[in-house]
Amino acid sequence: NAGVTQTPKFRILKIGQSMTLQCAQDMNHNYMYWYRQDPGMGLKLIYYSVGAGITDKGEVPNGYNVSRSTTEDFPLRLELAAPSQTSVYFCASRPRKTGAGDEQFFGPGTRLTVL
Amino acid sequence: AQSVTQLGSHVSVSEGALVLLRCNYSSSVPPYLFWYVQYPNQGLQLLLKYTTGATLVKGINGFEAEFKKSETSFHLTKPSAHMSDAAEYFCAVGAAGNKLTFGGGTRVLVKP
Repeated sequence: NAGVTQTPKFRILKIGQSMTLQCAQDMNHNYMYWYRQDPGMGLKLIYYSVGAGITDKGEVPNGYNVSRSTTEDFPLRLELAAPSQTSVYFCASRPRKTGAGDEQFFGPGTRLTVL
Repeated sequence: AQSVTQLGSHVSVSEGALVLLRCNYSSSVPPYLFWYVQYPNQGLQLLLKYTTGATLVKGINGFEAEFKKSETSFHLTKPSAHMSDAAEYFCAVGAAGNKLTFGGGTRVLVKP
């Protein structure tokens, strides 16, 4: 299993540009998550999905969009990039076993800089 | 609502010394508690978790944590630090639902 994969690893955007961060998992997990990590702030949840076709907002959804057309893929879209979106983005997935006590599995991250 | 507070954003320990990372949480329902570790330029990996049962939880790499309900704490310890323990550590709480709430993280520096 490759686990959770993310592309690209690094990206520099200009203000106002758009891009999609890709996330895929091959573990047949129902739940998938997008977080952003800023220094000293821990991880903040952007969006999450409990299954194909179902998504919901997290703590910091503004400026982002997601879709979940398959179990494997959960892309994150930035429509109009702003400097405040400079961050490291992590995708994670979780199986649907016992519930909130199950471990989330993380991808390696995408480091995004908006100039 | 749930929240997590990690005391100390940076901790410096000598090799061979005790590692103690503090985590306090708030949750309106019985919590699930996690410690994750992040090595430089990598994603997060699970160290250990508490769901139910024994309150002293053992994890990978010699780490353990104790759930103390009366103190709403889940502190992480390791008796003897190794250079490879240099990383950032995150405490997280999950409750009835699908989401985790993370603390701000504690970066551990190990001095030779």
